[in-house]
Amino acid sequence: EDQVTQSPEALRLQEGESSSLNCSYTVSGLRGLFWYRQDPGKGPEFLFTLYSAGEEKEKERLKATLTKKESFLHITAPKPEDSATYLCAVRGAAGNKLTFGGGTRVLVKP
Amino acid sequence: GAVVSQHPSRVICKSGTSVKIECRSLDFQATTMFWYRQFPKQSLMLMATSNEGSKATYEQGVEKDKFLINHASLTLSTLTVTSAHPEDSSFYICSALAGANIQYFGAGTRLSVL
Repeated sequence: EDQVTQSPEALRLQEGESSSLNCSYTVSGLRGLFWYRQDPGKGPEFLFTLYSAGEEKEKERLKATLTKKESFLHITAPKPEDSATYLCAVRGAAGNKLTFGGGTRVLVKP
Repeated sequence: GAVVSQHPSRVICKSGTSVKIECRSLDFQATTMFWYRQFPKQSLMLMATSNEGSKATYEQGVEKDKFLINHASLTLSTLTVTSAHPEDSSFYICSALAGANIQYFGAGTRLSVL
């Protein structure tokens, strides 16, 4: 059974204070690790897909990296508008389902 | 990115009534859509996988007679909560699979059953 664990559960940052979110996973035959951003009362917004160890992707202040056991989402010099819950999910060999982690709630204070 | 529209965004109904939620892929065709449920401060829980032209696949513990799913076209899936009760109150979110890999999500529907 695929499993995803995210840490920390919550993160409070000052504006400009860089940090990293962790996503540890076990999966049979990884066919993609996904990062989403979710604002309160909204559906998740797609950020990145990573497929193989060593892969990195960037978008504005966010950078996602992948190893064989975990992924990191680095937030560089965050702004208050980066406040959200960040969700990590994996797609394994069986079917199209995503298995989600519990999410990390990020609050960036000005 | 691809756009998925979910309607209504909020619904309040009386106990015992049925509620239908629509999920549409606006700029792509989706043979596979998914329905999730999310409780406050928790992650997404997959309820069922909806496949165009065939029966939905429900996750363990999800009552298929309670949560009826129809995926009659390549751009529309519906979830009907039948005989809703207060314990069915939740945030329901759909997603559509674009191409081979990426799920794009709707904005969610907040269901409150009185």
